[in-house]
Amino acid sequence: SYVLTQPPSVSVAPGQTARITCGGNNIGSKSVHWYQQKPGQAPVLVVYDDSDRPSGIPERFSGSNSGNTATLTISRVEAGDEADYYCQVWDSSSDHQGYVFGTGTKVTVL
Amino acid sequence: QLQLQESGSGLVKPSQTLSLTCAVSGGSISSGGYSWSWIRQPPGKGLEWIGYIYHSGSTYYNPSLKSRVTISVDRSKNQFSLKLSSVTAADTAVYYCARGKGDYTDYWGQGTLVTVSS
Repeated sequence: SYVLTQPPSVSVAPGQTARITCGGNNIGSKSVHWYQQKPGQAPVLVVYDDSDRPSGIPERFSGSNSGNTATLTISRVEAGDEADYYCQVWDSSSDHQGYVFGTGTKVTVL
Repeated sequence: QLQLQESGSGLVKPSQTLSLTCAVSGGSISSGGYSWSWIRQPPGKGLEWIGYIYHSGSTYYNPSLKSRVTISVDRSKNQFSLKLSSVTAADTAVYYCARGKGDYTDYWGQGTLVTVSS
């Protein structure tokens, strides 16, 4: 099955830029989606189809995807951005299709 | 605004069957173009997709759970359900229901904790 690898943690100072990577074999050929999950809450979609934002998500959240790495970028980080972030792709093979989630990255705002 | 709400037993004994229901409001579960998923998260760990059912009734399950999972839909009640058999402590998790739109999910329930313990 398809594996998505994320760094366990990323630390960033307020106002700076956080970059969260998501590695997968030829992930650039897939659409990547990103979720934010705050403690005790359900995940929330923040980027879909590599770089699109749902309504209500700040422009500070952006995404890119190429080669074997997708990246979620959070610009001008705020304290409220502290959360776990998960990448996700749709995996389709001969005998299986479904959602695959990354291992998750905890973003700490210093 | 679409809303999803999980309900069911919060405590299940080992070897028994876990049963959860997801009630959908603000939209019809029969609307074309969407799938309806169950996703779980063990305490302190990441997200694991369990399976989904399409509006057509077709189901797809995570291969690692396939032998124990059944997802069904009750259109008259606008809800869908999860049954997971032969549970062990490893099945202890927060269980979420979610709507799939294409190859991502856009609406999630708040989640419900299910503990497997005797």
